[in-house]
Amino acid sequence: SYELTQPPSVSVSPGQTARITCSGDALPKKYAYWFQQKSGQAPVLVIYEDSKRPSGIPERFSGSSSGTMATLTISGAQVEDEAAYYCCSTDSSVSLRWVFGGGTKLTVL
Amino acid sequence: QVQLVESGGGVVQPGRSLRLSCAASGFTFSSYGMHWVRQAPGKGLEWVAVIWYDGSDKYYADSVKGRFTISRDNSKNTLYLQMNSLRAEDTAVYYCARDGVVGVTAPFDSWGQGTLVTVSS
Repeated sequence: SYELTQPPSVSVSPGQTARITCSGDALPKKYAYWFQQKSGQAPVLVIYEDSKRPSGIPERFSGSSSGTMATLTISGAQVEDEAAYYCCSTDSSVSLRWVFGGGTKLTVL
Repeated sequence: QVQLVESGGGVVQPGRSLRLSCAASGFTFSSYGMHWVRQAPGKGLEWVAVIWYDGSDKYYADSVKGRFTISRDNSKNTLYLQMNSLRAEDTAVYYCARDGVVGVTAPFDSWGQGTLVTVSS
């Protein structure tokens, strides 16, 4: 079955740039989506279609994709950005099935 | 504003069934596909199923295929997940989420607060 691979954890100091990667064989052909989930809360979409930002999401959140890797970048990370981040995309063979990455815990301290 | 409210969770014995509901409001429910996504305690997100806006097509994760059925009633603005032959590994918070419409909204732009299903004897 199709898998998306993320690092388990990333740590930065406040004001630094955090980069979270997501690798998957189908990413050259499929969009990546990114979600932020804070403890005890529902996920929130922060990036869609590789690099688009929904309204209300701060400009410090950006996304990119190259080859088999998508990247979520948080420029000038804030303490309130500490959360789990998940990438998501459609299955390489059955395009209407979706897959989430394992998640990355971002620590900002 | 978009609102999704899940209900129907609880404690159920292995092998038994449970039906979850997701009540939608604040948008034209019949124009949007809908997803179920789950999260086991302390674990990551797992996509479960999707249904098209009119119910004409459905897709499932391999882990639930043949046991779970996604459905909808557009007259009631409600999404369902019928879960049969439940296993301990189905224990999770179950979220409903809205699919996207090309050029209008992105997939997964709105989520409910989740309902907890615990499968235990």
